[in-house]
Amino acid sequence: GDSVTQMEGPVTLSEEAFLTINCTYTATGYPSLFWYVQYPGEGLQLLLKATKADDKGSNKGFEATYRKETTSFHLEKGSVQVSDSAVYFCALLHGGATNKLIFGTGTLLAVQP
Amino acid sequence: ETGVTQSPTHLIKTRGQQVTLRCSSQSGHNTVSWYQQALGQGPQFIFQYYREEENGRGNFPPRFSGLQFPNYSSELNVNALELDDSALYLCASSSMDGTSYNEQFFGPGTRLTVL
Repeated sequence: GDSVTQMEGPVTLSEEAFLTINCTYTATGYPSLFWYVQYPGEGLQLLLKATKADDKGSNKGFEATYRKETTSFHLEKGSVQVSDSAVYFCALLHGGATNKLIFGTGTLLAVQP
Repeated sequence: ETGVTQSPTHLIKTRGQQVTLRCSSQSGHNTVSWYQQALGQGPQFIFQYYREEENGRGNFPPRFSGLQFPNYSSELNVNALELDDSALYLCASSSMDGTSYNEQFFGPGTRLTVL
């Protein structure tokens, strides 16, 4: 079945460092891909999305490109801030009649001042 | 516009008990999905309701059941609680038109602890 694999954390960075969180997927067809962020004690917020190959999703300085050839959707940010500390989830939309999201296990990012 | 709300925020139950969690969907949305997020894991799809009918179910036993009401709010019921049911339960609402993906908006979740 469809699945998402993302790099394990925690990832600890200093403020203004470059961030990469790897995400690869296995899916039939052409899924849509997403990054969600979860701040402590809160639900999930959509960070960015890409709906077809070679699309680049971007938001708040974060970017991810849908790479069909490598089945990847890596999250990047050029300069992280302390406020970016959160858990990041990569997800794909399972095709079919059900609008079902399949999530990776999440990556904890801790940014130190 | 009111976002997705869930109640209660926290809940403590004992093994064998039953629990009902509630979700109010965002205005204009006709679809509610429920996810279980165990500690340190990603959310797992439980089931989805579209216009008051179940529209897909994940790998959860029948003691997990749900309802959607005419105003599109929803309930998740879990019978015969087990320790492994301890998790954050997330509700997400969206507006499916049957042809394309529409963003799912998540509520803050209900933290269930089973002792």
